[in-house]
Amino acid sequence: AQSVTQLDSQVPVFEEAPVELRCNYSSSVSVYLFWYVQYPNQGLQLLLKYLSGSTLVKGINGFEAEFNKSQTSFHLRKPSVHISDTAEYFCAVTLNTGFQKLVFGTGTRLLVSP
Amino acid sequence: DADVTQTPRNRITKTGKRIMLECSQTKGHDRMYWYRQDPGLGLRLIYYSFDVKDINKGEISDGYSVSRQAQAKFSLSLESAIPNQTALYFCATSPRTVSYNEQFFGPGTRLTVL
Repeated sequence: AQSVTQLDSQVPVFEEAPVELRCNYSSSVSVYLFWYVQYPNQGLQLLLKYLSGSTLVKGINGFEAEFNKSQTSFHLRKPSVHISDTAEYFCAVTLNTGFQKLVFGTGTRLLVSP
Repeated sequence: DADVTQTPRNRITKTGKRIMLECSQTKGHDRMYWYRQDPGLGLRLIYYSFDVKDINKGEISDGYSVSRQAQAKFSLSLESAIPNQTALYFCATSPRTVSYNEQFFGPGTRLTVL
């Protein structure tokens, strides 16, 4: 079965600094990968997804992620964060073999301060 | 445009009470899901449904039941609530027509069991 690890439970950063949120997955077969964001008191919203093709995926709000098959990683990056990026970020994986359940990581809380 | 709605948004109840959380969607998706979110644990799947006659248990279904009243409605019931069911509950949907199970989330229901 697939699994997802988000090693950082919380990442503090100053406004306009770059940030990287780490995500590693475990699977013996090909996967689809997702990053979701949860703003305070809201549901989850899709930031970006990797299905196939280019390993660099661009999403909403200036975020991007890079799929690295050899390192089984899908790290999320933003070159310059804003206060409004303060939220919880979830990495998720599903197998590339018919319908498969979406498995979520435990989340990383991004705290952006002025 | 709230495509996936959940009612109530907040609920406080007492141990032993039966409660129902409701989810409705206007996205026309066949698949619907119920998750619970706990701090540090991410999202865990309770039940999922492919259509009104196809309901499946997720990883943590004990203590919960569901009803798929129509394509657009999926309810979660706690037959006899207990304090460790205090959590944030999310409903999600996904279209049958795509293979990668991208899911769309409601705003959540915060449940407190005293």
